[in-house]
Amino acid sequence: SQELEQSPQSLIVQEGKNLTINCTSSKTLYGLYWYKQKYGEGLIFLMMLQKGGEEKSHEKITAKLDEKKQQSSLHITASQPSHAGIYLCGATGGAQKLVFGQGTRLTINP
Amino acid sequence: DTAVSQTPKYLVTQMGNDKSIKCEQNLGHDTMYWYKQDSKKFLKIMFSYNNKELIINETVPNRFSPKSPDKAHLNLHINSLELGDSAVYFCASLYTGGGYDEQFFGPGTRLTVL
Repeated sequence: SQELEQSPQSLIVQEGKNLTINCTSSKTLYGLYWYKQKYGEGLIFLMMLQKGGEEKSHEKITAKLDEKKQQSSLHITASQPSHAGIYLCGATGGAQKLVFGQGTRLTINP
Repeated sequence: DTAVSQTPKYLVTQMGNDKSIKCEQNLGHDTMYWYKQDSKKFLKIMFSYNNKELIINETVPNRFSPKSPDKAHLNLHINSLELGDSAVYFCASLYTGGGYDEQFFGPGTRLTVL
């Protein structure tokens, strides 16, 4: 079965700093999703990557999928308090189900 | 309008009780899911229904029984609750099209078993 490993598990950064979260898969990724979760809320879809080398950006968040399609990174530029939360990467594990990494808890210090 | 809604948002109950969590989506999607997020924030799929039919059952104890009265609703009934059932349960529905799938998640139900 497919497994996703996220690193780091927890991250504390100063407001305004850049940061990167990584997601590594045990198998080739055919669809890689990034979600954000705020405490007490559901998951918010950020981006989805399918092709090797693909890169997508939304506001200050950029996600990349490597050429071999086994690793993805999520990069936040000039972090803000609104970026705080838990970031989860998910991969399609067959039968339209998502397999998730363990999550990265991001804290932004003012 | 809330796309995927769950009730209740919080549920505190004693061991051994039976409880239900309800989920509704107004997106017109055919496929819905239940996920469990444990204390370590690990999110795992439990069940999936497509148009009222069970299509995924991920080795979940028999005490958990999903029910889909129609394709807009997927409820989760739990019998004989145990301490280890304490978690946040998320419902989701699936959009397919535009070359990719996207799952829309509900706000979660935090279940605490005492």
